[in-house]
Amino acid sequence: SAVISQKPSRDICQRGTSLTIQCQVDSQVTMMFWYRQQPGQSLTLIATANQGSEATYESGFVIDKFPISRPNLTFSTLTVSNMSPEDSSIYLCSVEWEGNIQYFGAGTRLSVL
Amino acid sequence: GENVEQHPSTLSVQEGDSAVIKCTYSDSASNYFPWYKQELGKGPQLIIDIRSNVGEKKDQRIAVTLNKTAKHFSLHITETQPEDSAVYFCAARDSSYKLIFGSGTRLLVRP
Repeated sequence: SAVISQKPSRDICQRGTSLTIQCQVDSQVTMMFWYRQQPGQSLTLIATANQGSEATYESGFVIDKFPISRPNLTFSTLTVSNMSPEDSSIYLCSVEWEGNIQYFGAGTRLSVL
Repeated sequence: GENVEQHPSTLSVQEGDSAVIKCTYSDSASNYFPWYKQELGKGPQLIIDIRSNVGEKKDQRIAVTLNKTAKHFSLHITETQPEDSAVYFCAARDSSYKLIFGSGTRLLVRP
């Protein structure tokens, strides 16, 4: 299986600021994903991070708000821009491993004041 | 697109009893169905999965069944223990490779 490290594990931010979340995998993977989990809710896919090209965003999520980088096959970042209290959520990175299995990082718990 | 419904939203059982969580999906092209366990403060952890060419899969106290005709799959946990208490999510991998998650079941195992 893949080992995924996410940083930071949690943060408290002021509205109007931005936070960049890092996701590091211990092996090269083709598919990396970013999810949002609002308090007490299920997981919602934000985007697929594509290596060497622009991320593919799901309906309701836009690049200006959630810019994503994927400089290589082991690393990706998600930025939450111009934050408001509604952005308070858990942000999760996942990778697709052999057999289409997805493994998740521990998540970043974000609170926006 | 794919839609996954999960029931019940909460489930409370006595230690040693069995727990069953059910999910239905809408896209007949979905072919992979994982189950995740999420403990407080942690990310989702894959506990078992099943593919569309298999009807049942078992791993110790955990089993998953799949009925392709009815488009539903279920998680069965036998001899429940307090450490099984967590939120469980089902998911379906749709024809565009994305995982679509159910709404989650909060399982409480009473000692």
